[in-house]
Amino acid sequence: QQQVKQSPQSLIVQKGGISIINCAYENTAFDYFPWYQQFPGKGPALLIAIRPDVSEKKEGRFTISFNKSAKQFSLHIMDSQPGDSATYFCAASSGSARQLTFGSGTQLTVLP
Amino acid sequence: EPEVTQTPSHQVTQMGQEVILRCVPISNHLYFYWYRQILGQKVEFLVSFYNNEISEKSEIFDDQFSVERPDGSNFTLKIRSTKLEDSAMYFCASSGLTGDSSPLHFGNGTRLTVT
Repeated sequence: QQQVKQSPQSLIVQKGGISIINCAYENTAFDYFPWYQQFPGKGPALLIAIRPDVSEKKEGRFTISFNKSAKQFSLHIMDSQPGDSATYFCAASSGSARQLTFGSGTQLTVLP
Repeated sequence: EPEVTQTPSHQVTQMGQEVILRCVPISNHLYFYWYRQILGQKVEFLVSFYNNEISEKSEIFDDQFSVERPDGSNFTLKIRSTKLEDSAMYFCASSGLTGDSSPLHFGNGTRLTVT
């Protein structure tokens, strides 16, 4: 019940295209859903986060879509760039706790 | 921008040896964490620390693990008797008080290799 399932495992997108990564959760107590970006040799860095009281949040080229009834959320990267090539992790936590449960990660490659 | 710094970047140790991984969290942060990432797998929570005590820990964080904030700046993770399966990237993280305005900031990790 604590798991966060992430797909796809890897994604290849042409420059300028849209990258879409999906996550699903089971624990209805989760109320904070961040996305992290990780480059090789670096720690995860917060990209964008959402709470379930909104269905969408946009920051620049990055958008989170949230479907509370389906217990799913997704990251959309518009106008994908080669510099976006990284591993993306969705995560979830509940309450004020910051014990993040991470998804398994998606390795995104944006071709020039 | 303030950073979480971790040392060493790579630690090689023999099975059964003790290791101490070190972290300097962001200076005004109050919550401290250790996560680990086995190669090619997801990031897993180990422990959170607040007000000089453990606030949460996972099943992974057994009696072989301990954490300490020995002074006002460092936060350490000790593994008493390392096993081969402890080989992983260990990430320290810190955050401020509460709320979405104070998310977790991760360091660049220590790669632990147990031989």
